[in-house]
Amino acid sequence: DTAVSQTPKYLVTQMGNDKSIKCEQNLGHDTMYWYKQDSKKFLKIMFSYNNKELIINETVPNRFSPKSPDKAHLNLHINSLELGDSAVYFCASSQVETEAFFGQGTRLTVV
Amino acid sequence: AQSVTQPDIHITVSEGASLELRCNYSYGATPYLFWYVQSPGQGLQLLLKYFSGDTLVQGIKGFEAEFKRSQSSFNLRKPSVHWSDAAEYFCAVAAGTGTASKLTFGTGTRLQVTL
Repeated sequence: DTAVSQTPKYLVTQMGNDKSIKCEQNLGHDTMYWYKQDSKKFLKIMFSYNNKELIINETVPNRFSPKSPDKAHLNLHINSLELGDSAVYFCASSQVETEAFFGQGTRLTVV
Repeated sequence: AQSVTQPDIHITVSEGASLELRCNYSYGATPYLFWYVQSPGQGLQLLLKYFSGDTLVQGIKGFEAEFKRSQSSFNLRKPSVHWSDAAEYFCAVAAGTGTASKLTFGTGTRLQVTL
């Protein structure tokens, strides 16, 4: 039973399309995150939600919009995809001041 | 702002040899420190963490790390490396308290193990 699961695992799409990545955690954690890993493997936080409330919003284009329908789910919607959006996107969850548990990642390729 | 430096981009060791991966951090308060491992095509798995207390922490897969405040370091060690340890290793520091804290990662060290 996967703790943090993301779908899809792979996503190939054309420039200009809109796509969503879904994330669910069954750990009962209050906080969920989206991280982006670029082609150089550098990981950077994008967003954080606590109990459905946006807590952290790093400098991310407005085309990226997170949505948390409940505290177990955090989805990422991306509008008007660009080539530079190609990356691996990781969802994670944690409790207050504890370690983060990561999903398997979604490899997004924009062509 | 917090930062993490992993000076070694790529390290190659022979199977059975000892390993030390370096990590230096910059953070104003007492840091929460982590080591994660990423195997090819996989997510990030926590190896170990330091929050407080004993500065030598034990993790999974035979790894350990030592927190040295005076050197702002949190180096990862393993006495005898196995071929399955080949992966990318990330050091991270947690910043922020309360309802959410974000992880700031180093650039990673790729470990290659030769047989």
